[in-house]
Amino acid sequence: DAKTTQPNSMESNEEEPVHLPCNHSTISGTDYIHWYRQLPSQGPEYVIHGLTSNVNNRMASLAIAEDRKSSTLILHRATLRDAAVYYCILRNAGGTSYGKLTFGQGTILTVHP
Amino acid sequence: DTEVTQTPKHLVMGMTNKKSLKCEQHMGHRAMYWYKQKAKKPPELMFVYSYEKLSINESVPSRFSPECPNSSLLNLHLHALQPEDSALYLCASSQPRGSEAFFGQGTRLTVV
Repeated sequence: DAKTTQPNSMESNEEEPVHLPCNHSTISGTDYIHWYRQLPSQGPEYVIHGLTSNVNNRMASLAIAEDRKSSTLILHRATLRDAAVYYCILRNAGGTSYGKLTFGQGTILTVHP
Repeated sequence: DTEVTQTPKHLVMGMTNKKSLKCEQHMGHRAMYWYKQKAKKPPELMFVYSYEKLSINESVPSRFSPECPNSSLLNLHLHALQPEDSALYLCASSQPRGSEAFFGQGTRLTVV
């Protein structure tokens, strides 16, 4: 399975943008890039996903490098409720690992008031 | 309804007990998952069911036995567990190909 590398932790101030990086140099053509976050004492929550093009939704934006070997999750204005562990995950849409959603170590985001 | 419901929320069981965890979704998703999460660690995939058939078993010990009676329900039967099996057990569902997954809040299991 293709792996992802994320910084262990990042900090931000409230109402400032946050850019969470993810490296996935062994990504295959059928791997979607997914982001999930997990707030304390809760199950993971879907944030955004994409394949090749940049994506926006109400929660965040996903910027995907042209060679797809890295991506960045962008929270446009961090709030205290965004403090969580953020996971960047490659999800294969075909082949033998079809259907797997495998979590890496994630990035702990701390948001300061 | 975008919820995945897991019951019970908390469970304490002895090493000789048999218990079951239950997961339910009504989103029409045809893939369902069991994960195990230890404190301060990421969730670890245990099983994947696709169209009610077991498609992935991540070399999970046989004391954990999954069951998918229909497309909305997923069970995890537990027998002869060890204290190190104490963890948060998470259920998730999605459509099988590439789309977002929805997670339940988990069952906090303690084996004594």
